[in-house]
Amino acid sequence: DIVMTQSPDSLAVSLGERATINCKSSQSVLYNSNNKNYLAWYQQKSGQPPRLLIYWASLRESGVPDRFSGSGSGTDFALTIGSLQAEDVAVYFCQQYYSIPLTFGQGTKLEIK
Amino acid sequence: EVQVLESGGGLVEPGGSLRLSCAASGFTFSSSAMNWVRQAPGKGLEWVSVISDSGSNIYYADSVKGRFTISRDNSKNTLYLQMNSLRAEDTAVYYCAKGGSGSHLNWFDPWGQGTLVTVSS
Repeated sequence: DIVMTQSPDSLAVSLGERATINCKSSQSVLYNSNNKNYLAWYQQKSGQPPRLLIYWASLRESGVPDRFSGSGSGTDFALTIGSLQAEDVAVYFCQQYYSIPLTFGQGTKLEIK
Repeated sequence: EVQVLESGGGLVEPGGSLRLSCAASGFTFSSSAMNWVRQAPGKGLEWVSVISDSGSNIYYADSVKGRFTISRDNSKNTLYLQMNSLRAEDTAVYYCAKGGSGSHLNWFDPWGQGTLVTVSS
C-alpha cells in the first residue's frame, strides 16, 4: 500500500499570508508512460463533505480560487494557499490514485493565527 | 448539477447488516466508476471500495473485504453498499463519491453529504 504522510498536522497562518501543506508518498505516484502524478488535494470544512481542489498534482478544479495551487512530482508534493482568507479554515487531505488501495494523508488542520 | 446523495445509514448492533444507497444525477452514471469512502468520528478519510462503470471490476479495502459488497444498478443510477458482520470500528460517515470515466484509478468528485452508520449495542 502507498502511505501518504502530510506535514504539518496543524498550521496557523495570519490572514493574507501564505500557507503551505506538504504531502509525501511512500513510493512514486508518477506514471512514466503519461508523465502524470496521480495525486489530488481536498478541502473539508467543518460538518461538510470533502471538496476536490487539485488533481494531477497541479490542475485546479473548476471554481476553485486561483490562490490555491499544487506542486511537486514523484513522492513530494505541496498545496499552497497564496493569500489566506478566513473561509480557507478547514482540514486538507492529499490522496493518491496511482494504485489500489486508494489512500489519503492523515489531514492537516489549517487555522487563522 | 452533478450530485450524489446517500441514504440508508443508522444504528445497528455488532454483527448486524445494513445496506447503503447512493442516488446519482446530473451525469452519465453508467460511464463513471463509483466509490465509497468513510470517515470515523473526528478521524481522517478511508477509501472503502470502488466499482467500475460496468460493474465488472470491483476492489475493496482490506478492512472490509469479505464483509462488504459494492454493486450498482445503471438503469436506476444508483450505487449500493451491502455491509454485513458489522463491527464497532465500522462506525463512520459513509460518503458516496464519483470516480473517473474509464478508470477506477481516479480522484473523487463530487462527494455526497454522507450517511452516518453507528455500530453499537
